[in-house]
Amino acid sequence: GEDVEQSLFLSVREGDSSVINCTYTDSSSTYLYWYKQEPGAGLQLLTYIFSNMDMKQDQRLTVLLNKKDKHLSLRIADTQTGDSAIYFCAERGTGGSYIPTFGRGTSLIVHP
Amino acid sequence: EAQVTQNPRYLITVTGKKLTVTCSQNMNHEYMSWYRQDPGLGLRQIYYSMNVEVTDKGDVPEGYKVSRKEKRNFPLILESPSPNQTSLYFCASSSPVGGRYNEQFFGPGTRLTVL
Repeated sequence: GEDVEQSLFLSVREGDSSVINCTYTDSSSTYLYWYKQEPGAGLQLLTYIFSNMDMKQDQRLTVLLNKKDKHLSLRIADTQTGDSAIYFCAERGTGGSYIPTFGRGTSLIVHP
Repeated sequence: EAQVTQNPRYLITVTGKKLTVTCSQNMNHEYMSWYRQDPGLGLRQIYYSMNVEVTDKGDVPEGYKVSRKEKRNFPLILESPSPNQTSLYFCASSSPVGGRYNEQFFGPGTRLTVL
């Protein structure tokens, strides 16, 4: 069945790069997403990548997709305290429902 | 402003007292869903709806009911709440169109405590 795995915690120093990793099992995934949940708020779409791409860059964010290994990563350059949040990886398969499957979320803690 | 609203935002209740958490979206989305979020367990889907009068169970439906009588509303009903339903609940909606990235829009969350 479909499953999305990610580590629960990541701690980095302010100014360093953060790399959050995710593995998924559905080889037919068409879109893969990163959602961000700030404290006390709902999830918001941060970025996404289509399955025919290897990389997507958007300002400080870089998404890398390795389809062969079913591995997705989110790199945040020059991490700031405002980046502290829970980051959810999600995949969407080709089934007619287009319902995404979410990982458990990685809590990113940025310390001075 | 495009948004998903949930009410109430916070609720403390007692075991067995029926409650309803409302969810409404103003984006004309077909798809709506309820999730619960618990520490260490991430986001788990309770129920979802592909359209009006079409609902289906998610991963953890026990103890919950939903209805979808109108496109914009998708209430979550706890007929007899129990302490293990203490959690943070999120409603989400999207328009599941093929060929698009289909962003999920989430509500702000409802923190429920069942004593």
